[in-house]
Amino acid sequence: DQQVKQNSPSLSVQEGRISILNCDYTNSMFDYFLWYKKYPAEGPTFLISISSIKDKNEDGRFTVFLNKSAKHLSLHIVPSQPGDSAVYFCAAKHGNKLVFGAGTILRVKS
Amino acid sequence: DVKVTQSSRYLVKRTGEKVFLECVQDMDHENMFWYRQDPGLGLRLIYFSYDVKMKEKGDIPEGYSVSREKKERFSLILESASTNQTSMYLCASNGQTALNEQFFGPGTRLTVL
Repeated sequence: DQQVKQNSPSLSVQEGRISILNCDYTNSMFDYFLWYKKYPAEGPTFLISISSIKDKNEDGRFTVFLNKSAKHLSLHIVPSQPGDSAVYFCAAKHGNKLVFGAGTILRVKS
Repeated sequence: DVKVTQSSRYLVKRTGEKVFLECVQDMDHENMFWYRQDPGLGLRLIYFSYDVKMKEKGDIPEGYSVSREKKERFSLILESASTNQTSMYLCASNGQTALNEQFFGPGTRLTVL
């Protein structure tokens, strides 16, 4: 039973345009949501998070939106850069554990 | 900066061998985690530990065991490696904060032949 789902395995975007990565969850008890970025042959690195009591968090080019009623969050990257090409994992926190989605491969074309 | 290191980047073992994957963190974190990453499945939690000598099963503990004798070190053990344990293994740690952001090591790519 996947509690966190990223339904798009991959996304291709032109440099300078917006990238939107989506994530859906089923458990209302999650209190934080996190996005991680992973390059090949490296461990995931934390990118941005949002508390379940917020609906938006922004950090430079990265913005995360949370729609609790729809149990949906999205990561917006504007403008997209070739260095953003990576796998992006959505994660949801419950207690001391994180539950991860399957990941979305983002390719930013120059 | 938090540093999580893993003993090997690449490892090739034979079916039936006992395999040890070591992880060390330098930030005095209480919590440590072992995941495996497989295409299309994301990161799945194998085991975690809240304190020295404490361990708890994650979502896929079968075929694995762990050891935490010191706070900074968390070992994953494959008692008898099988081909379906070929995967990327990731170690992570975090402290006791509200966000519980986890810091990951670089991963060990294990191939079982």
